[in-house]
Amino acid sequence: DVKVTQSSRYLVKRTGEKVFLECVQDMDHENMFWYRQDPGLGLRLIYFSYDVKMKEKGDIPEGYSVSREKKERFSLILESASTNQTSMYLCASSRGQSSSYNEQFFGPGTRLTVL
Amino acid sequence: AQSVTQLGSHVSVSEGALVLLRCNYSSSVPPYLFWYVQYPNQGLQLLLKYTTGATLVKGINGFEAEFKKSETSFHLTKPSAHMSDAAEYFCAVTSLSGAGSYQLTFGKGTKLSVIP
Repeated sequence: DVKVTQSSRYLVKRTGEKVFLECVQDMDHENMFWYRQDPGLGLRLIYFSYDVKMKEKGDIPEGYSVSREKKERFSLILESASTNQTSMYLCASSRGQSSSYNEQFFGPGTRLTVL
Repeated sequence: AQSVTQLGSHVSVSEGALVLLRCNYSSSVPPYLFWYVQYPNQGLQLLLKYTTGATLVKGINGFEAEFKKSETSFHLTKPSAHMSDAAEYFCAVTSLSGAGSYQLTFGKGTKLSVIP
């Protein structure tokens, strides 16, 4: 059974803290993605990675950075958390660097609250 | 730029009634289209996808969708709603990033309620 796991389901942090969200996939997928989900706005892509140490900005990268040192792991970093980063964060992975129709597999999400 | 429009942020149907969730897209590359479902407090799960070939696509849980190129639509239907169908549904289309990588652009979602 394919699996994408996220390190925490719920996280509460204070303004200004550095926050790490971890995502691990066991499907040997090349592509990994970080989204944030907010009511009425759907899913918005923050960053994605198509190979180890490779990253590409999505639609809303400001305030975030990412790290992919190993193929199975993709980390999202909030350098200095702010209250407007309170959201649900979803990680996903997909097969193939050039395939445009491969489905993305999602983790269960991390609900982050910044106080 | 690719975009997806889902008409209706909330849809309510009676149990046993037809489910119709609307999705229109714009795409500058051959459109590959997806429907995902999200149950409360869970991640997204693929319902079905259109890549090439037959324009009527069948998915899990009795859902199907029809790709209509002339209407740039990919509406999701189910003949008879079940209580367990209550969830949020997202339509997505393949998009091409500036660096030439493929990603998905999602609609804002439609929350489906099923009334007993």
